[in-house]
Amino acid sequence: GEQVEQRPPHLSVREGDSAVITCTYTDPNSYYFFWYKQEPGASLQLLMKVFSSTEINEGQGFTVLLNKKDKRLSLNLTAAHPGDSAAYFCAVSASTGANTGKLTFGHGTILRVHP
Amino acid sequence: EAAVTQSPRNKVAVTGGKVTLSCNQTNNHNNMYWYRQDTGHGLRLIHYSYGAGSTEKGDIPDGYKASRPSQENFSLILELATPSQTSVYFCASGDAGQGYTEVFFGKGTRLTVV
Repeated sequence: GEQVEQRPPHLSVREGDSAVITCTYTDPNSYYFFWYKQEPGASLQLLMKVFSSTEINEGQGFTVLLNKKDKRLSLNLTAAHPGDSAAYFCAVSASTGANTGKLTFGHGTILRVHP
Repeated sequence: EAAVTQSPRNKVAVTGGKVTLSCNQTNNHNNMYWYRQDTGHGLRLIHYSYGAGSTEKGDIPDGYKASRPSQENFSLILELATPSQTSVYFCASGDAGQGYTEVFFGKGTRLTVV
């Protein structure tokens, strides 16, 4: 089955610095890719979704890159601020629209942004 | 806003006892999912369902059963709870369609088996 490896497990950056989290996956049929943010004690908040037909998606303060050739997905927070401190998870789905909630998650990255 | 409600939010159970975690969604979604989250493992899929009466095994189904008696409700059942099942459990729901449909997660249930 699908394997998703996420790096690094912990990341500490100063406010204003960039932070990059990377996931690699194994199933070449994977089509939907997601980044979730989870604050302590809370549920998962969808940050960004990427489909295999797109390569770059930009959100508020972050960019998601998908490299299908290398089977690599990355989240780049361009100027981190303390409110970005949280756990971040990538997730991958090889399922069709009938079951896109069948996700394989990375192990997570704990990001700490300090002043 | 899509709503997925889990109950209880916290549970302490005794080893060997039966535990039922409940999930209710008001989104009229066909698909529902149970995940567990452990430190260092992210979320892992236990069981899922395509609709009322349907249950399917996910990636780590051993020691768990699931029940989908209606479109709105999806339960996770631990017949004989063990300390290794101490975890945070998340329920999610999503629609079925031709393309991508967003999945909505509940707030989680923290289960401690002593």
